[in-house]
Amino acid sequence: DARVTQTPRHKVTEMGQEVTMRCQPILGHNTVFWYRQTMMQGLELLAYFRNRAPLDDSGMPKDRFSAEMPDATLATLKIQPSEPRDSAVYFCASGSGFGTGELFFGEGSRLTVL
Amino acid sequence: QKEVEQDPGPLSVPEGAIVSLNCTYSNSAFQYFMWYRQYSRKGPELLMYTYSSGNKEDGRFTAQVDKSSKYISLFIRDSQPSDSATYLCAMSPTNTNAGKSTFGDGTTLTVKP
Repeated sequence: DARVTQTPRHKVTEMGQEVTMRCQPILGHNTVFWYRQTMMQGLELLAYFRNRAPLDDSGMPKDRFSAEMPDATLATLKIQPSEPRDSAVYFCASGSGFGTGELFFGEGSRLTVL
Repeated sequence: QKEVEQDPGPLSVPEGAIVSLNCTYSNSAFQYFMWYRQYSRKGPELLMYTYSSGNKEDGRFTAQVDKSSKYISLFIRDSQPSDSATYLCAMSPTNTNAGKSTFGDGTTLTVKP
């Protein structure tokens, strides 16, 4: 059963701490996306990778957020230092990059920054 | 103003009702139109997909796109309690970057037995 796996599912941390979220995309998918979902802003695109290369991270606050794909089976989103306004659910999604363009989402990482 | 505006809801209907969910958009370059369903504390999953204008039917679900009005709709016939979820519309200009979609904020639907 192919699925996108995200860890951690839940994270509570204090302001100023570093947070790292990890994503294992579906094997064979060459596009990976990081989205952030909040009640106020809905689903926002943070970063987009194709074949592990970053194509678009314009939605990401550059001073504190960073996204990488060290290999085809791992994508990371790091926040340093974290702030209360970063509290949200962070979704990773992967896709084949062509055809219907369907995205397969993970179950999300729920982050609370106190 | 956002590129994609979605009727905010929430929407509560009795079982068996016909449900209409709607989005408007401003970017005329959008060619691919999608509806995702998101259950509570889960990630969104693709429900329907249409290209350009027209209708597409899949079981109890019908997606409509009117590009001249920049308006899309999702209809659910004979709604069931299992349809209770948040529905997100999404749009993109090309399918090569179809995953780089712009999402609406979602409409939360509750179907009461």
